[in-house]
Amino acid sequence: GENVEQHPSTLSVQEGDSAVIKCTYSDSASNYFPWYKQELGKGPQLIIDIRSNVGEKKDQRIAVTLNKTAKHFSLHITETQPEDSAVYFCAASIRGYGGATNKLIFGTGTLLAVQP
Amino acid sequence: GAGVSQSPSNKVTEKGKDVELRCDPISGHTALYWYRQSLGQGLEFLIYFQGNSAPDKSGLPSDRFSAERTGGSVSTLTIQRTQQEDSAVYLCASSSQPSSYEQYFGPGTRLTVT
Repeated sequence: GENVEQHPSTLSVQEGDSAVIKCTYSDSASNYFPWYKQELGKGPQLIIDIRSNVGEKKDQRIAVTLNKTAKHFSLHITETQPEDSAVYFCAASIRGYGGATNKLIFGTGTLLAVQP
Repeated sequence: GAGVSQSPSNKVTEKGKDVELRCDPISGHTALYWYRQSLGQGLEFLIYFQGNSAPDKSGLPSDRFSAERTGGSVSTLTIQRTQQEDSAVYLCASSSQPSSYEQYFGPGTRLTVT
C-alpha cells in the first residue's frame, strides 16, 4: 500500500544552524504535501505545504522542496531557534474513497531539538 | 476564529468499558477526519466524513470502533469494549471542502485504558 518514509527520526542542531528533514512517498497520484509541527501535548499545526505543480515554496525561515520524479520532498528550516523544537510530520495526499486524493498519509515524525 | 475542539482532553477508562470521544470541527468545514496517534508514533487514519457522502471507514482497526457525524458538524468516535492497546491520543481534523487538502487539527483526546 501507499506509504511515506521520513528521515531522520531525531535531529539535534545548534541554535542558528539549519535543519533538513526528508520524506519519500510511494503513490504517484499524490499531489499535495503538507508539513505539520506538533508541540508536546498539542495537536499538529500546519506550517507549510506544497502542491505538485510547484518545485519550491518559502515562508520566512521555512522552505519546502519537491522532486516529483524522485518522489521526495524536504523541509528546510534556517536560523533555527529553540522554539522550533518540536516533532515535525510530513504527509502526502493519497487516493481515498471514490478516487479523490483528499486523504493524507503521514510520515512517522522527526523530533527536532534546537540547542541554545 | 475558533479552531477544532475535542472533548474530553483526557479519559481514563477500565478495560471492557465503552468510551465516546467528541469533535467539534471549524464552523463551515464539510470534511472531518479522525486519527489515532500512539506514543511516539505517527498519525494513523481512522475514518473520514465528507458532507452527506458515505464515510470512508477504511482505517478503523476493528468493529469495536465506530463514528458518526450528526448534522454535518459534530462527530463522535465510539470505542466499545476498550482494550489496553486502544490507549493513544485520538485526533480530529477538519477541512473546508472536498478539494481543499488543508487539514486543521484539534488538541486531541488522550485515552488511557487500565
